Amino acid sequence: GNSVTQMEGPVTLSEEAFLTINCTYTATGYPSLFWYVQYPGEGLQLLLKATKADDKGSNKGFEATYRKETTSFHLEKGSVQVSDSAVYFCALSELTQGGSEKLVFGKGTKLTVNP
Amino acid sequence: GAVVSQHPSWVICKSGTSVKIECRSLDFQATTMFWYRQFPKQSLMLMATSNEGSKATYEQGVEKDKFLINHASLTLSTLTVTSAHPEDSSFYICSASRQGYTDTQYFGPGTRLTVL
Repeated sequence: GNSVTQMEGPVTLSEEAFLTINCTYTATGYPSLFWYVQYPGEGLQLLLKATKADDKGSNKGFEATYRKETTSFHLEKGSVQVSDSAVYFCALSELTQGGSEKLVFGKGTKLTVNP
Repeated sequence: GAVVSQHPSWVICKSGTSVKIECRSLDFQATTMFWYRQFPKQSLMLMATSNEGSKATYEQGVEKDKFLINHASLTLSTLTVTSAHPEDSSFYICSASRQGYTDTQYFGPGTRLTVL
């Protein structure tokens, strides 16, 4: 079945450092790819998504490019802030028999940014 | 907009009792709701998908008689853990898709269940 593998954390960075969180996937077909973020005490929020090869999703300074040739969707940010401290989940979508989109998640990567 | 709430946020119960968790979409109609389970340091595992007014579709390995899901309205789904045991202790998360927008899910904050 489809699966998502993301780098294990935790990741600790200083403010203004460059961030990369690796994510690779295994899938049949061409799924949509997502990054979700979970801030402490809150539910998961969609950070960005890409629906086809070579698409770049971006939001709040974060970017990720759908790379079909390397089956990857790495998350990057040029200069992290303390407020970016959270758990980040990579995910892909697959269609269920009933026609709804089902998400398959990676294990999550905890990011801590120190001032 | 697109806020999903869960109640309770945490619950402790005795082994053998049943626990009901509610998931509500507060400002939109949700044709589809999803229930996930998250173990410590592991990813969210989809348990079941429910569409309003129809039976839930359970993932392989999830006991439908143990985890009862009801999606009675476009804003409410419930998960009942029946005859709970310590191994059912976990973090349960729901999400909802807006009517007509099946490609984005909005997540609730989760419910921590501890079975003694």
